[in-house]
Amino acid sequence: AQKITQTQPGMFVQEKEAVTLDCTYDTSDQSYGLFWYKQPSSGEMIFLIYQGSYDEQNATEGRYSLNFQKARKSANLVISASQLGDSAMYFCAMREGLYGGSQGNLIFGKGTKLSVKP
Amino acid sequence: DADVTQTPRNRITKTGKRIMLECSQTKGHDRMYWYRQDPGLGLRLIYYSFDVKDINKGEISDGYSVSRQAQAKFSLSLESAIPNQTALYFCATSDSGNTGELFFGEGSRLTVL
Repeated sequence: AQKITQTQPGMFVQEKEAVTLDCTYDTSDQSYGLFWYKQPSSGEMIFLIYQGSYDEQNATEGRYSLNFQKARKSANLVISASQLGDSAMYFCAMREGLYGGSQGNLIFGKGTKLSVKP
Repeated sequence: DADVTQTPRNRITKTGKRIMLECSQTKGHDRMYWYRQDPGLGLRLIYYSFDVKDINKGEISDGYSVSRQAQAKFSLSLESAIPNQTALYFCATSDSGNTGELFFGEGSRLTVL
C-alpha cells in the first residue's frame, strides 16, 4: 500500500531564507505522481507543484521547487526566499499512476506547519 | 464564484441527526472526491466517483454515503452523525487528463455535539 511520510510536524524559517519541507513516499509502482499543496489558516487547499516519476528534471514553479530523489523515494519541497505569506500547512501527496486518468487516488501525508518569522 | 462550491460552509448538529454536505463544480471535471481533514492526520479519502455511474469507497467510508446526482454534483451524507465525525470536509475534483491534480472546495466545517 502506498504511504506518505512527512516527519516535520512544524518548522520555523526566517523571512527571505530558503526552507526545505521533507516528504518520503513508499510505493511499489513505477509510475506515480507527487504533489504538494498549501493550506493557509483560511483553510483552502492550494495546489503548488507536481512531479511525475519519470520526470528527469526537478519540477519548479516560481519560488517552489521539488527536490525529487527517486532512489531515496523522497520528494522534498523547497521554498526559496520565504515570505510571511508562506506561513501555512503544507501537504505532500502521491498518486499511483502518472496521469489524471489513472485509477489511483491522491493519498496525503499528515502535513508540516511552516511558520515564517519576520 | 468558486469553481468548486461546498454547502454548508459551517454546520453544528447533534448526535443522531442526518446531515448532507453538498458539492457542485463548474470545472467540467469527471472525477469528484470527498476528503476529511482532522488535525494531525492530514486528509483522508471518504468516497470518490470517476463518473456519474461510478461510486467507490475510500479509506474511511464507514458511517458515510454519497450520491452523484449529475456530473457537476456530488453530495456526502452522514445518516446518523456521531461526535467523532466532527471534522473539516473537503470536496475536490480532477480531470482525467493531464496530471490530475485535485481542485478543492473551500471546505465544510462540521461539528457534531
